Amino acid sequence: GQNIDQPTEMTATEGAIVQINCTYQTSGFNGLFWYQQHAGEAPTFLSYNVLDGLEEKGRFSSFLSRSKGYSYLLLKELQMKDSASYLCAVSGAGGGNKLTFGTGTQLKVEL
Amino acid sequence: DTGVSQDPRHKITKRGQNVTFRCDPISEHNRLYWYRQTLGQGPEFLTYFQNEAQLEKSRLLSDRFSAERPKGSFSTLEIQRTEQGDSAMYLCASSSQEYNEQFFGPGTRLTVL
Repeated sequence: GQNIDQPTEMTATEGAIVQINCTYQTSGFNGLFWYQQHAGEAPTFLSYNVLDGLEEKGRFSSFLSRSKGYSYLLLKELQMKDSASYLCAVSGAGGGNKLTFGTGTQLKVEL
Repeated sequence: DTGVSQDPRHKITKRGQNVTFRCDPISEHNRLYWYRQTLGQGPEFLTYFQNEAQLEKSRLLSDRFSAERPKGSFSTLEIQRTEQGDSAMYLCASSSQEYNEQFFGPGTRLTVL
């Protein structure tokens, strides 16, 4: 089966940095995605990694190590609006282009 | 084109009724996906189209579920004889052949009473 693990909940302080980890064990891999999802809304695309290393995009960065089956999403200068669920998803798990998601990490940003 | 659209946004139905949802992808995207999401879980893959061809269906998809994309543009997802366990958010996403990023629509929230 396909297995994607991420912490269920995290809490951080406004202005701080938080790292959300994701580990995966899948048969097939075309890339790893991070999505942000606010309650009651659709997921919105944050980042995509297909090669090892760090991808930086403004306050958000994402890292991938394919040999370790590991990724993290780094959020800097946290804002209250960053409170949301962060979904790790693997493309190509089990073949094809579909995304296989983890259960999501609910991030709460406090004052 | 501002993105993926879905209709209706909410649907309440009684157990045993049939429902149909519509998805309009981003116009230049030839790939279309349906996912289902329940509370506290990540989206779960249902089916995938490339143009009008349905290339993959989840083994979790019972024969009460059917999807079409007749002209390679919009898609419909039909659930026959709905059950309470079908209550979920049904998400549609689209992507181009060149880029892997999938862009999601706002979803259709189904409640089966």
